[in-house]
Amino acid sequence: GESVGLHLPTLSVQEGDNSIINCAYSNSASDYFIWYKQESGKGPQFIIDIRSNMDKRQGQRVTVLLNKTVKHLSLQIAATQPGDSAVYFCAENGRFTGNTDKLIFGTGTRLQVFP
Amino acid sequence: DAGVIQSPRHEVTEMGQEVTLRCKPISGHDYLFWYRQTMMRGLELLIYFNNNVPIDDSGMPEDRFSAKMPNASFSTLKIQPSEPRDSAVYFCASSFSAAGGPEAFFGQGTRLTVV
Repeated sequence: GESVGLHLPTLSVQEGDNSIINCAYSNSASDYFIWYKQESGKGPQFIIDIRSNMDKRQGQRVTVLLNKTVKHLSLQIAATQPGDSAVYFCAENGRFTGNTDKLIFGTGTRLQVFP
Repeated sequence: DAGVIQSPRHEVTEMGQEVTLRCKPISGHDYLFWYRQTMMRGLELLIYFNNNVPIDDSGMPEDRFSAKMPNASFSTLKIQPSEPRDSAVYFCASSFSAAGGPEAFFGQGTRLTVV
């Protein structure tokens, strides 16, 4: 029978450009957020995290921005490379406020990098 | 450490058969999570353990699914009887609560096909 799958948002960028991937989270009590990268045939891989007492955190070529007012998270990738092509997930967790130990994932965004 | 190890990597079984998926978490991690990933529903949390004790199994689809963690280095997810709609990639992840953050490290997944 016909199958209806998730329509993953797709971001297509040229190699060398900067990428911005957005995520809206659901639980205002969440106090810890993580970005994961999932390449085809592999499990999700940790990229960067941020706690709710921060609004920005930088890693190597990646920056995460957190806007608690509108419950929005973004991942910025500088100088995007072909190896960055993957599906990116944001995840939220409320452990530090004692609300939950769960790590809940968003639906994901597919990043395609073309030369 | 070799990371989270899952077995088998691929499983094809006939409807009605029992399926057992296995996971070895990272040594020293005290949280273990089982996720299911499908095109229809994305990445879903099925159940998680803390110090070998099941904490939340609200994501387990139905009574056909069961999970155990007999010790800190081993967990199983069992489906009995299996159905075609159980076909998915099942991921195990572990985390260390006292680390800088509760980021979970994922295994490579088990791709289950029920025919």
